[in-house]
Amino acid sequence: DAGVTQSPTHLIKTRGQQVTLRCSPKSGHDTVSWYQQALGQGPQFIFQYYEEEERQRGNFPDRFSGHQFPNYSSELNVNALLLGDSALYLCASSLGTGGYYGYTFGSGTRLTVV
Amino acid sequence: QKEVEQNSGPLSVPEGAIASLNCTYSDRGSQSFFWYRQYSGKSPELIMSIYSNGDKEDGRFTAQLNKASQYVSLLIRDSQPSDSATYLCAAVSGNTGKLIFGQGTTLQVKP
Repeated sequence: DAGVTQSPTHLIKTRGQQVTLRCSPKSGHDTVSWYQQALGQGPQFIFQYYEEEERQRGNFPDRFSGHQFPNYSSELNVNALLLGDSALYLCASSLGTGGYYGYTFGSGTRLTVV
Repeated sequence: QKEVEQNSGPLSVPEGAIASLNCTYSDRGSQSFFWYRQYSGKSPELIMSIYSNGDKEDGRFTAQLNKASQYVSLLIRDSQPSDSATYLCAAVSGNTGKLIFGQGTTLQVKP
């Protein structure tokens, strides 16, 4: 049973560039949530996708956008990268949007903005 | 007030001791609570979930929930050096279904 897969594992970008991160949810899961985790902090909720629509959004600027595909996989796009966007980006999948059964996390993408 | 609060630690315990990790939450509508373990540079790993008041035991781990006090705790018995990690408490928002994390408590188990 495949878990949550994220790509790429590591990424180095220059300030002002754009980046796309990808996530395939665990088999049987239909909801994908994205989190940003800065060093020494807990994961911060970016947004959640269900039925190919953004259902919930955290306190992140419009530079952060996403997409969910019919096969439930998802992308996170960040435009006009800032140094402060350097973080571990985590994708979590779940069954439904309520989170009752828990969330399974991928191994994350480490983004470094220089 | 943060939605989920934890003491960042570090919490240091000797090998074989009981480690007690605590968490409070502000959303009275939250019904689902989780403890994740995160090793340095790795992603969070679910170790316990709890939904109703009382205790839930799984091996060396016991989660405790008190909804009246809005308090969640995790006990780790017979702590091992391999338990050294950051423990993240998370609650599902009652209104939105968002999983909200605390900042995590660093646990150090010394041989």
